[in-house]
Amino acid sequence: GAGVSQTPSNKVTEKGKYVELRCDPISGHTALYWYRQSLGQGPEFLIYFQGTGAADDSGLPNDRFFAVRPEGSVSTLKIQRTERGDSAVYLCASSLSGDNEQFFGPGTRLTVL
Amino acid sequence: TQLLEQSPQFLSIQEGENLTVYCNSSSVFSSLQWYRQEPGEGPVLLVTVVTGGEVKKLKRLTFQFGDARKDSSLHITAAQPGDTGLYLCAGVESSGTYKYIFGTGTRLKVLA
Repeated sequence: GAGVSQTPSNKVTEKGKYVELRCDPISGHTALYWYRQSLGQGPEFLIYFQGTGAADDSGLPNDRFFAVRPEGSVSTLKIQRTERGDSAVYLCASSLSGDNEQFFGPGTRLTVL
Repeated sequence: TQLLEQSPQFLSIQEGENLTVYCNSSSVFSSLQWYRQEPGEGPVLLVTVVTGGEVKKLKRLTFQFGDARKDSSLHITAAQPGDTGLYLCAGVESSGTYKYIFGTGTRLKVLA
């Protein structure tokens, strides 16, 4: 029973570059969430998947952010033309279904120089 | 956008003291959760409350959901250094989706 894993654990990139952040949820969990957490703040909702489809993407800040989950398991958060303000810890969580306990991964710390 | 305000933002207390953390909103939530987060890790669920007025106890931690389901409190009795961490409340919107709105967080430090 591995937990939620996220790769990479740290990512440093330059302003304007493209980045991909990966989340491997707990096997069998149909719901998957992405959050962004700035230093000293609570997590900010980005997007929620139920299976392969994005059930709610209202938290994505703009069209530079996109997330996929093509086979209903692994998910990738993609950020185009990164900006310094995108620097944060990106957290992924999964649950058996939307109304069950969320299990969080350790996060990916993104730094945009 | 619904907002969950937590107070206090920071709290530093001596071992053995009691404390209460508050989570307030102007919106109604169908359920509310409390998490604790350690540095470098994701939040870990402590409890979920779903009924207005509900009280749940977890060892030295007591959680209460407000009657109107707009606010909640976390009370810790006889705090220990192991209780140190970031405490977060999170509410589920009542709109039928599972969009979790997290509070602003309370950073607790318990000194030995």
